[in-house]
Amino acid sequence: NAGVTQTPKFQVLKTGQSMTLQCAQDMNHNSMYWYRQDPGMGLRLIYYSASEGTTDKGEVPNGYNVSRLNKREFSLRLESAAPSQTSVYFCASTQGFWTSGRTKNIQYFGAGTRLSVL
Amino acid sequence: GESVGLHLPTLSVQEGDNSIINCAYSNSASDYFIWYKQESGKGPQFIIDIRSNMDKRQGQRVTVLLNKTVKHLSLQIAATQPGDSAVYFCVLSGTYKYIFGTGTRLKVLA
Repeated sequence: NAGVTQTPKFQVLKTGQSMTLQCAQDMNHNSMYWYRQDPGMGLRLIYYSASEGTTDKGEVPNGYNVSRLNKREFSLRLESAAPSQTSVYFCASTQGFWTSGRTKNIQYFGAGTRLSVL
Repeated sequence: GESVGLHLPTLSVQEGDNSIINCAYSNSASDYFIWYKQESGKGPQFIIDIRSNMDKRQGQRVTVLLNKTVKHLSLQIAATQPGDSAVYFCVLSGTYKYIFGTGTRLKVLA
């Protein structure tokens, strides 16, 4: 049982290049999330998918797009990478989706993708 | 808006002593709080959570205390071990978002 798997683990891009970060979970979770983590900071939500077929913007969505390919997979795309997107990217999943404070949801995280944009 | 902050960016503790990591939050409507541990090069890992209708919850060697009056959350680690060295995040979940604090790095001294 691998949990949440992210690929690649490391990536170096030149400004203007595009790439897609892949995330897959094998826990049959309904909700998936993409975060970025910058040095000395907590995680900031980029996009999330409450359920298969839906995606929504988080706190810092500019410059990114996402696709919920199926229940298992949630990808993050950088169309034209910029140095400000140099960061560590984490994917997470939860069994359910918090709606009104009545549901407990623990996020399970992948190991991260370390991206440098030169 | 909502915010979460930890009181100290770094905490150094002698091995075997107890550790206390503090967190303050601003949103009174928050009713679910989570502590995560992040080791170097890894993703955050769930430690313990607490709902707003509780003021204390215990796990294995960890205790979370919630004081809603002053909007303060703390994580206590008993008999701190070298394997506890990591960055600890408190997370606020009062809407559809999970709001992460900036983290406290716990250093365990031999």
